[in-house]
Amino acid sequence: EAQVTQNPRYLITVTGKKLTVTCSQNMNHEYMSWYRQDPGLGLRQIYYSMNVEVTDKGDVPEGYKVSRKEKRNFPLILESPSPNQTSLYFCASSLFGGSTDTQYFGPGTRLTVL
Amino acid sequence: AQKITQTQPGMFVQEKEAVTLDCTYDTSDQSYGLFWYKQPSSGEMIFLIYQGSYDEQNATEGRYSLNFQKARKSANLVISASQLGDSAMYFCAMIPYSSASKIIFGSGTRLSIRP
Repeated sequence: EAQVTQNPRYLITVTGKKLTVTCSQNMNHEYMSWYRQDPGLGLRQIYYSMNVEVTDKGDVPEGYKVSRKEKRNFPLILESPSPNQTSLYFCASSLFGGSTDTQYFGPGTRLTVL
Repeated sequence: AQKITQTQPGMFVQEKEAVTLDCTYDTSDQSYGLFWYKQPSSGEMIFLIYQGSYDEQNATEGRYSLNFQKARKSANLVISASQLGDSAMYFCAMIPYSSASKIIFGSGTRLSIRP
């Protein structure tokens, strides 16, 4: 089944404890992206990647890191999480990242930072 | 400015009725894609339907159709014969050609289906 997977789905952690949210897609998509969704603020892009080893900042990259060493994986790293990073996180992928390419979303990761 | 506007924060509809969710968009690009997503209470973001700016016919996917009026810059989602499982948040979204690295979402419409 074609899909985007994220792990973990739920995570409660404490301030400052490094964590990684994994994202993987099996559709051979070139483009991948991370978003966070917050009440009243909608979805905001954190980072995106147009291809392997190519990543770029979105609208809210502060406090996050990403890497794209393989086409299928695009992990999101929080080196020192803070409570304002409590959010619902989505990974998405599309064929080439073009305006006609549908972005498919993972199931989401609910992160709580205490 | 590139923007999506959904003016209906919430809607209630009787089961089996058709429902139209409004969406207007703003872009100066000639080429863009329009999308609708469904977000149930469980949180996942489910792709429903796509319309390209150069598509002359309205997109349809099962019970979903997109009423695309380019001159009015509107892309309304029509759900025919609504079901209880259609209760969810619905987001209209756009990817303009000039900034195709990011999808722009509207604020969403919460649809509730009454039995």
